Parts: sequence; C-alpha cells; structure tokens
Amino acid sequence: DIVVTQSPDSLAVSLGERATINCTSSRTVLYSSNNKNYLAWYQQKPGQPPKLLIYWASTRAYGVPDRFSGSGSGTDFTLTISSLQAEDVAVYHCHQYFITPYSFGQGTKLEIK
Amino acid sequence: EVQLVESGGGLVQPGGSLRLSCAASGFTFSSYWMHWVRQGPGKGLVWVSRINSDGSNTDYADSVKGRFTISRDNAKNTLYLQMNSLRAEDTAVYYCARPLMSGMSGLDPWGQGTLVTVSS
Repeated sequence: DIVVTQSPDSLAVSLGERATINCTSSRTVLYSSNNKNYLAWYQQKPGQPPKLLIYWASTRAYGVPDRFSGSGSGTDFTLTISSLQAEDVAVYHCHQYFITPYSFGQGTKLEIK
Repeated sequence: EVQLVESGGGLVQPGGSLRLSCAASGFTFSSYWMHWVRQGPGKGLVWVSRINSDGSNTDYADSVKGRFTISRDNAKNTLYLQMNSLRAEDTAVYYCARPLMSGMSGLDPWGQGTLVTVSS
C-alpha cells in the first residue's frame, strides 16, 4: 500500500506571505505511459467537505485562484500558496489515486500568524 | 448543478448494520466511478471504497473489507454503502465523491457527508 505523508502537521503564516506544504508518497505515483502524477490536493474548512484544488499534481481545478499551485513528480510534491489570504485558513490534504487502496496524507492545518 | 446528497447515517450499536445512500444529480451518474471516503472526529480523510460505472468492479480499504459492500443503482442515480459488523473505529462522517472526470482523477464534487456513530 502507498503511504502518503504531509509536512508540516501545522503551519502559521502571515497574511500576504508564502505558504508551502509538502507531501511525500512511499512509492511513485507517476504513470510512465501518460507521464501523469496521480496526486491531488484538497482544502477543507470546518464543517465542510473537502474541495478539490489541484489534480494531476499541478492542474488547478476550475475556479481555484492562481495563488494556489502544485508541483513535484514521482514521490515528492508541494502545494504553494503564493500570498496567503484570510480565507485560506483551512486544513489541506494530499491524495494519491495511482493505485488502490487510495490514500490521503494526515492533513496540514494552516493558520494565520 | 452537480450534486451529491448522502443519507442514512445515525447511531448504531457495535456489531450492528447501517446502509448509507448517496443521491446523485446534475450529471450522467452511470458514466462515473464513485467513491466513499470517511473522516473520523478530528482526524484525516480515509478512502473506504470505490465502484466502477456499471457496478461490476469494486475495491475496499483493508479496514472494511468483508464488512462493507459498495453498490449502485444507475436507474435511480444512487450509490450505496452497506456497513455490517460495525465497530467503534468506524465512527466517522462518510462522504460520497465523484472523480472530476470519467475514469480516475481528483475527487470533485463531494457530498456534505453523513455521520455514523458506533456506540453502545
């Protein structure tokens, strides 16, 4: 089974500053036949379901502000928020959908410093 | 509008059973694989199960294999999760979710979730 680990567990960043969350997979999630990384990022606010931000490791979902970006390949990935806004306070989850059982990271709680 | 609405959660005793439903609307339900994901209180997301578009292929997390059964009724645009032999550790909000695109990709949308509490 693929284990997905996020770091840090929590993060406090000043408004307007950059926030970076890392995600490591125990095995590659890069499918060589199509050169796609089977990794997604979600944002979850209290009392709400997760919202898809990024899929294929770097493709922004429709309507997601361009301050959110995803990067990485193989086993190491990063979610970057270029300029933190108050509405970005949330828990962020990464998710590998390369092979079942699909798996999520433990989540990273992002707060305002 | 694409929408998923779960129902069927509640309080159940250890060893009991419950069937969750997820009503889909706003898209061609029979064209998409569907998933169940759960989240224990204060915990992270855990993938539970998936089913292919015609219901002929299913997968489960090891923690629920042999106890949970995923199914679907494409005529009713509804996804199900039959949960038997429930344990305290199955207590969670259960979400149904659809891949963004046919096949597999990131999950979007998600339902609002239904709470299952396993306790005596």
